[in-house]
Amino acid sequence: DSGVTQTPKHLITATGQRVTLRCSPRSGDLSVYWYQQSLDQGLQFLIQYYNGEERAKGNILERFSAQQFPDLHSELNLSSLELGDSALYFCASSSTGADSPLHFGNGTRLTVT
Amino acid sequence: GESVGLHLPTLSVQEGDNSIINCAYSNSASDYFIWYKQESGKGPQFIIDIRSNMDKRQGQRVTVLLNKTVKHLSLQIAATQPGDSAVYFCAESPQYGNKLVFGAGTILRVKS
Repeated sequence: DSGVTQTPKHLITATGQRVTLRCSPRSGDLSVYWYQQSLDQGLQFLIQYYNGEERAKGNILERFSAQQFPDLHSELNLSSLELGDSALYFCASSSTGADSPLHFGNGTRLTVT
Repeated sequence: GESVGLHLPTLSVQEGDNSIINCAYSNSASDYFIWYKQESGKGPQFIIDIRSNMDKRQGQRVTVLLNKTVKHLSLQIAATQPGDSAVYFCAESPQYGNKLVFGAGTILRVKS
């Protein structure tokens, strides 16, 4: 068990809808990362937060947004969903901003129909 | 651990043999490298890491080798067990950053 908790485990929704994925990092970790894993793209970095502030941005669509709250949990919001957004979404956390391993949750499987 | 990717390379080994999984990384500025194991239905699990000022690091049954000259990373698993069956990813991070970039992955199948 990595200590990173993601909810929900599964989400099925229709195109055009909006969903929120939630992540609780390991106790004491200040950095939270979101990754998308699809069959044809592998693990793609979306965005990183450190202690409530956005630290780095990757291949995150404008329809997607995230935030990290004062209690350090994070939410990833996906809107105007398309079929191609179906994927596994992973949250990871680490203790510092550099040179420390990321610890991943077990992901949220999003299916857009 | 085989649900990720349709065209991942596969390494099949006999139980008890040693496994070597290779990874070519792309960014010569990367200075931190990690190996992850992903089993079906789970998130990537940290195995071992290495910094660019080292060329070898050992853990329990695992060894990571780094060759910066040819930008190559390998993971050696000793006495491979059925529980080692999974997809293995290498990941690299640029200097002063922690934005991990993942490789495509390798499927390891252990035959009993």
